Amino acid sequence: SQELEQSPQSLIVQEGKNLTINCTSSKTLYGLYWYKQKYGEGLIFLMMLQKGGEEKSHEKITAKLDEKKQQSSLHITASQPSHAGIYLCGADIRNTGFQKLVFGTGTRLLVSP
Amino acid sequence: DGGITQSPKYLFRKEGQNVTLSCEQNLNHDAMYWYRQDPGQGLRLIYYSQIVNDFQKGDIAEGYSVSREKKESFPLTVTSAQKNPTAFYLCASSMTGDFNQPQHFGDGTRLSIL
Repeated sequence: SQELEQSPQSLIVQEGKNLTINCTSSKTLYGLYWYKQKYGEGLIFLMMLQKGGEEKSHEKITAKLDEKKQQSSLHITASQPSHAGIYLCGADIRNTGFQKLVFGTGTRLLVSP
Repeated sequence: DGGITQSPKYLFRKEGQNVTLSCEQNLNHDAMYWYRQDPGQGLRLIYYSQIVNDFQKGDIAEGYSVSREKKESFPLTVTSAQKNPTAFYLCASSMTGDFNQPQHFGDGTRLSIL
């Protein structure tokens, strides 16, 4: 079974709508990264969260790590076609303190005009 | 511009052959990583190196080998022992191996078996 579950697996939203992607683990998320990937390309760093209850924003994207550090959400406000891609969460679930990340399976986002 | 270069972008291998994927970075990063990405499975760590002349197995190292003789280079060899090598391979680097240093990724190499 997957150690990091992402939901939904895929999402189609109309341009201008808000959306939320979740990343959930049965284990403690000692730190978590959100990345974006365009199909067939590498990953682009979005945000890093380490503390329970932490929230970070960049442009129209907000990421949160819950207090129990077992779930993170990524919220996009007023989606645009440029937001389309695959969103991946990657986390340290072994408390290594290092970049030995376990990744979720990704959420594929399409934004329709 | 600084970045990570993976080559080739597409690679075809005959069964029984070893192939080497190239990864070069000019970011002066100490740590480098290799991942495999399969549909529906996310990224899985193959090998990582926190410093030159040192590397460690990741979660799926069987059938792969690496070297880290230079800081800027971390080639991955897919050996004939890897029974299911068809996948998208991603190389990454970070300033150090510490968690708070995000990884920068190359654009990947897609390996297919003929």
